[in-house]
Amino acid sequence: AQSVSQHNHHVILSEAASLELGCNYSYGGTVNLFWYVQYPGQHLQLLLKYFSGDPLVKGIKGFEAEFIKSKFSFNLRKPSVQWSDTAEYFCAVRTGGGNKLTFGTGTQLKVEL
Amino acid sequence: DGGITQSPKYLFRKEGQNVTLSCEQNLNHDAMYWYRQDPGQGLRLIYYSHIVNDFQKGDIAEGYSVSREKKESFPLTVTSAQKNPTAFYLCASSIQESAYNEQFFGPGTRLTVL
Repeated sequence: AQSVSQHNHHVILSEAASLELGCNYSYGGTVNLFWYVQYPGQHLQLLLKYFSGDPLVKGIKGFEAEFIKSKFSFNLRKPSVQWSDTAEYFCAVRTGGGNKLTFGTGTQLKVEL
Repeated sequence: DGGITQSPKYLFRKEGQNVTLSCEQNLNHDAMYWYRQDPGQGLRLIYYSHIVNDFQKGDIAEGYSVSREKKESFPLTVTSAQKNPTAFYLCASSIQESAYNEQFFGPGTRLTVL
């Protein structure tokens, strides 16, 4: 069965620092990849997704992620974080047919002023 | 205002009691999903439904049951057989059970079993 690993469980950054959150998956076939974000008290929402084509995908609020097939990775990046980026971030993978997602354990990001 | 509603936001039950969590969507989505979120474990799929009157077990279906009698509704029952029911439960939906369709999530229900 496929699995998703997010190695950073808690990250604390100062405003304007650069962000990179790691996501690795274990599956050798075709994958679709997602990053979801859960702001405090809000619904889980889609940040960005990769299906095919350009491995560098851009999402909302200045986030981007790069799919590196050889490394089975889909790391999330943002050049300069803001206090409002404080949230929990989840990486998810879809493999095979259907729309079943496998989620990583999440990364809690806290951005300090 | 389209979206997914889950009620109640907080739910308390005594051990041994069955409890049903509500999930309603007015997005006209065919597919619906139930996830369980525990600290440090991310989201895990409990059940999903591609179409009315059909549903499939997810990765952790034991101790749970669902029904899909209407397109807009997908209630989840947490039975007394679920060994550790205290958790945050999220409902989601998508246009179709297709990989290219984003899943939209509800606000969640936090269930505490005393």
